Amino acid sequence: DTGVSQDPRHKITKRGQNVTFRCDPISEHNRLYWYRQTLGQGPEFLTYFQNEAQLEKSRLLSDRFSAERPKGSFSTLEIQRTEQGDSAMYLCASSSTSGISSYEQYFGPGTRLTVT
Amino acid sequence: DAKTTQPPSMDCAEGRAANLPCNHSTISGNEYVYWYRQIHSQGPQYIIHGLKNNETNEMASLIITEDRKSSTLILPHATLRDTAVYYCIVGDSWGKLQFGAGTQVVVTP
Repeated sequence: DTGVSQDPRHKITKRGQNVTFRCDPISEHNRLYWYRQTLGQGPEFLTYFQNEAQLEKSRLLSDRFSAERPKGSFSTLEIQRTEQGDSAMYLCASSSTSGISSYEQYFGPGTRLTVT
Repeated sequence: DAKTTQPPSMDCAEGRAANLPCNHSTISGNEYVYWYRQIHSQGPQYIIHGLKNNETNEMASLIITEDRKSSTLILPHATLRDTAVYYCIVGDSWGKLQFGAGTQVVVTP
């Protein structure tokens, strides 16, 4: 399977704990996006990378959130001191900057976070 | 904030065409219209996009009005597997997608 993969698929954590999610994009894709989706809502943009550079961050991405893409391949999203309001599905997507599929973002299955 | 307006829900009979409307009256000249769908518990899936001209692919057709202020996604022969939330999004060619609430489409036998 050469699609976007995310790990873990589910995470339950206690309030105040730190969590880290991983996203592996499609191998030839140089853009990587993170979104967050709460129940009944559409996904909300968090941040995106082109290669290893983080080019845009949403106001939703508070100081407790940090994302990295150290070698321009996989990415991690860390949430520090989790709060109950962080409970959501965290989606990763990737895309290419060239070719006919450059307009298309390919989404992973998401990581569902539950903060108790 | 999302730049599009869609009906919250619609039903469609299996085998019939589903026509999903979207208003995007504030679209700017270099913004595209994208359609994605999200089947329950899965990540969104790209369907189609367009700038000015109507577009067709193996999944759907996209009809964009001449003034570009609205569009319609057409699923020509809806199947039960087309039951999903459909999102109409306007944006540039490379950046973030700003999803709204979408249209919940239910295809019934």
